[in-house]
Amino acid sequence: KAGVTQTPRYLIKTRGQQVTLSCSPISGHRSVSWYQQTPGQGLQFLFEYFSETQRNKGNFPGRFSGRQFSNSRSEMNVSTLELGDSALYLCASSPSGQVNTEAFFGQGTRLTVV
Amino acid sequence: GDSVTQMEGPVTLSEEAFLTINCTYTATGYPSLFWYVQYPGEGLQLLLKATKADDKGSNKGFEATYRKETTSFHLEKGSVQVSDSAVYFCALSDPDMRFGAGTRLTVKP
Repeated sequence: KAGVTQTPRYLIKTRGQQVTLSCSPISGHRSVSWYQQTPGQGLQFLFEYFSETQRNKGNFPGRFSGRQFSNSRSEMNVSTLELGDSALYLCASSPSGQVNTEAFFGQGTRLTVV
Repeated sequence: GDSVTQMEGPVTLSEEAFLTINCTYTATGYPSLFWYVQYPGEGLQLLLKATKADDKGSNKGFEATYRKETTSFHLEKGSVQVSDSAVYFCALSDPDMRFGAGTRLTVKP
């Protein structure tokens, strides 16, 4: 079974631009979550999608948005990039997102904003 | 809100030493608890989990017991190897995943 696939692996963008990151979950998984990982703040939850609906949202500004398609693939968009958005963005999928189920992580997209 | 606090690193040990990484949590409900490991350049991988009080999760020689009375889920391994060098994250799910800050472990030969 293929794992969680994130594309691209690396991105360099200029301040003020926007960026879209993609995540393909494990086949059959309907829940996709996004996290931002930085040395200073650690792993922070961005949002979770389940069956094309945002089910939970972390404490990030509206510049961060996402969506999920009918095949469960998900995209995350960051508009008006700031230097502080430089981070490793991790996507995780799980069958249902219920409390007892583990999350399977992709390798992440490393975004550098210059 | 729910949160996880884990021992600050980095931790440096010699091969075959005993490992403990402390983790405590704050939660209003009854979360599931997890330890994830992140190797360089990789995403997170589940190491072990426990879903209710007194459950013990174990994998690859690592163990952690869900202690409701002390709200803890400490990670232990009796004899670490160089290949265990990684960053370890304690996490809870209720149902959102909340992660600790991570503890970097380096094992020297």
